[in-house]
This record gives sequence, C-alpha cells and structure tokens, in this order.
Amino acid sequence: DAGVTQSPTHLIKTRGQQVTLRCSPISGHKSVSWYQQVLGQGPQFIFQYYEKEERGRGNFPDRFSARQFPNYSSELNVNALLLGDSALYLCASSLAGGATYEQYFGPGTRLTVT
Amino acid sequence: QKEVEQNSGPLSVPEGAIASLNCTYSDRGSQSFFWYRQYSGKSPELIMFIYSNGDKEDGRFTAQLNKASQYVSLLIRDSQPSDSATYLCASRGISSASKIIFGSGTRLSIRP
Repeated sequence: DAGVTQSPTHLIKTRGQQVTLRCSPISGHKSVSWYQQVLGQGPQFIFQYYEKEERGRGNFPDRFSARQFPNYSSELNVNALLLGDSALYLCASSLAGGATYEQYFGPGTRLTVT
Repeated sequence: QKEVEQNSGPLSVPEGAIASLNCTYSDRGSQSFFWYRQYSGKSPELIMFIYSNGDKEDGRFTAQLNKASQYVSLLIRDSQPSDSATYLCASRGISSASKIIFGSGTRLSIRP
C-alpha cells in the first residue's frame, strides 16, 4: 500500500508570495495533520483535520490555513511568506483523530523562502 | 519548561550494545507516547507507540513508560550502524487529542 504522499518535494518562493502544499493520506485514513520542522528541532503542530473538519490548531499565525477534501486529501496554504517560514513541512495521516491512533508521516515538502 | 524534553546528544554507542534513549514530559494529561526515527534530510518514521505503563517490545526495540515519573524511554538492543539517526519522542494528551508534541530529538551514533 502507498504511504502518505506530499507534493511538491521542494519549493523556492520569494518573501510575500503565497504557497500551497498538498498531501494525500494512507488509503483508509481519515485524519491528516500538518507540521513544520525547522533544522535541529522537532516537528511543530500546525493543524489537524478529521472528516473534513478542523480538530486542532497550533500556535501559528492566521497566514497559515488548511482544508481537507472529501477524498481526505489536504492542502496547507501559507500567505505573505516570511524568511522564517523556510522549513520542512510534514503531513501525517492516521485512521482517526483520537489520542491512541498512530500518525505516519509523508516525505515532506522542503520550502525555501528567499 | 519544554513540554517534552530530550537530551540532544550525540549519544555514541558501540555496535552490538544497547542504546538507551530517554524522554520526560510535563503534561500529566498526556495519554500516548511515540518514538520516531529520523535520518538526516528525511521525514520521521514511527518506531514505537505506547500508552500503558510498563514495557512494550517490538523486535530489537523496547519502549518503557512510567506515568508516575512522567518518563518514557526507548531501548535498542544489538545496535547497528543503520540505527544512527535522530530519535524523536512525542506525547499526545487526551485533553487536546489532536495535538502531538515533539521533543527536539536525541542524535544517536553507533560506532563500528
């Protein structure tokens, strides 16, 4: 079975631009979470979606938004990019949104803001 | 105080020995705990998942959880050079079940 897929793999954007990152969960998984990982740190939680509803939001500005589609895929949007948004953006999927469900990560999207 | 704390390392262990990785957490409401392995430039890979006090074994890996001490550990037996990576500890609470909180990771190096 295919794992979590993300696109694109790498992205270079300029300050002030907008970016959309995409994620497809493991088949049968209904929950998708987004994380930001900067070098030397653990992933930081941005959003979780379950059954197309936002179930949690981390401490990120309103420039960050996301949505989940009927097929459970998801998009993360970041507006007005800042240099500090440069990071590895990770998508993780799980069967459901509860605490006892394991999350499996995709390969990530490396975003560089210049 | 960080919610999940790990020693950043590097932790150097000879090949064939037991590697012991430790993690503490501050939220007593944390319900489940995860260990992820992350190779440089790659995404985290789930190694172990535990939510009951005690030990959980899977192959060469054993996760240990002590909720009274708010302590989680990962033991890797018969360490191999391929185990050299950063190991991330993460917790998830019932009160904010959607949020997994990660530590900064421990860098493990297995020397031949």
